Amino acid sequence: EAQVTQNPRYLITVTGKKLTVTCSQNMNHEYMSWYRQDPGLGLRQIYYSMNVEVTDKGDVPEGYKVSRKEKRNFPLILESPSPNQTSLYFCASSLVWGFRSGGGQETQYFGPGTRLLVL
Amino acid sequence: SQQGEEDPQALSIQEGENATMNCSYKTSINNLQWYRQNSGRGLVHLILIRSNEREKHSGRLRVTLDTSKKSSSLLITASRAADTASYFCANRDNYGQNFVFGPGTRLSVLP
Repeated sequence: EAQVTQNPRYLITVTGKKLTVTCSQNMNHEYMSWYRQDPGLGLRQIYYSMNVEVTDKGDVPEGYKVSRKEKRNFPLILESPSPNQTSLYFCASSLVWGFRSGGGQETQYFGPGTRLLVL
Repeated sequence: SQQGEEDPQALSIQEGENATMNCSYKTSINNLQWYRQNSGRGLVHLILIRSNEREKHSGRLRVTLDTSKKSSSLLITASRAADTASYFCANRDNYGQNFVFGPGTRLSVLP
């Protein structure tokens, strides 16, 4: 089954304790992205990756790191989590991105979400 | 970065009625997409409309795009209780690589 998976689904942690949220897709998609969703703010893009070893900042990258060593995986790393990073996080992927796609292949497939609480 | 805006923020209708949601954006876009989210779950893609298209249909969904007004609308006809969800528009501009979502419209369809 084509899907985007995230782990863990729920996480409670304390300030300063490094954590990683994994994201994996089995659709051979080039583009992957992380979003956070907060009440009243909608979804905001944290980081995205156009392909292996190619990543770039979204709108709210502060406090986060990502890596794309393999096409299927795009982990989100919080080196020193703080309470303002308490949020619902979504990973998404798309077949291609940008001018190569002509727009039609930019449908994003979302993971189920990770609820993070930082105390 | 650009920011999409949906209007209204919340909409409550009776089953069988039509629901219309609007979206505005600020820059030139390559395409605009609508997504649906059931409470706290992942988003599901509904429809994509390209900047050179004016209208698109998919089942009970109809999307229009007016690039001169930088706006789009999503119409759900003959709504059902199962359509209760939040609906988001999202777009990528012609020059950037990131993707911007609006704050969403919460639709409640009452049986």
